[in-house]
Amino acid sequence: KQEVTQIPAALSVPEGENLVLNCSFTDSAIYNLQWFRQDPGKGLTSLLLIQSSQREQTSGRLNASLDKSSGRSTLYIAASQPGDSATYLCAGGSGTYKYIFGTGTRLKVLA
Amino acid sequence: GAGVSQSPRYKVAKRGQDVALRCDPISGHVSLFWYQQALGQGPEFLTYFQNEAQLDKSGLPSDRFFAERPEGSVSTLKIQRTQQEDSAVYLCASSLRDLAVADTQYFGPGTRLTVL
Repeated sequence: KQEVTQIPAALSVPEGENLVLNCSFTDSAIYNLQWFRQDPGKGLTSLLLIQSSQREQTSGRLNASLDKSSGRSTLYIAASQPGDSATYLCAGGSGTYKYIFGTGTRLKVLA
Repeated sequence: GAGVSQSPRYKVAKRGQDVALRCDPISGHVSLFWYQQALGQGPEFLTYFQNEAQLDKSGLPSDRFFAERPEGSVSTLKIQRTQQEDSAVYLCASSLRDLAVADTQYFGPGTRLTVL
């Protein structure tokens, strides 16, 4: 059974720092991968989707990469801001739609 | 903006009651998903619809759970004879296309179900 581990579980940093969030899968056969953020009491917001033919995606200050050989993904957040405070979830799909989610990294960026 | 909406946002049920949770996806979205998120956990897949067809219900935890999307737009997740372990946030998501390729999923705010 596929399991997803996210490290660290929680992170508190001062504003302006560059951050790396990690995600690993027990089964490296990941077809595609999404990173989401979840704000308290709200649903998930998709940040980046790495399709099966891709190895990384970038959007603004965010960059996500996927190493299929090892089953690991990294989300890089540049120049963090207080508005980035949220829980970040990675989700891997063995097909095009059924995702297995990690338990998340709770990020707090201090002003 | 017209995102995914869910109702009710909060539901308290006594054990044994039936509940119905509603999802209004983004207009025109072909695919619709239901997830269950327990406290402190990531969402877990329940079921998937392509238009009105339920193509995958492998994640439904028991036969007390039933989902439908009769006209290919609004969907309802029904839980019969609720149990305490059903307490969770139920999330609905939709995506524009069918599943030939992976597509961004847009999530609603969820319904928090508490079973007493």
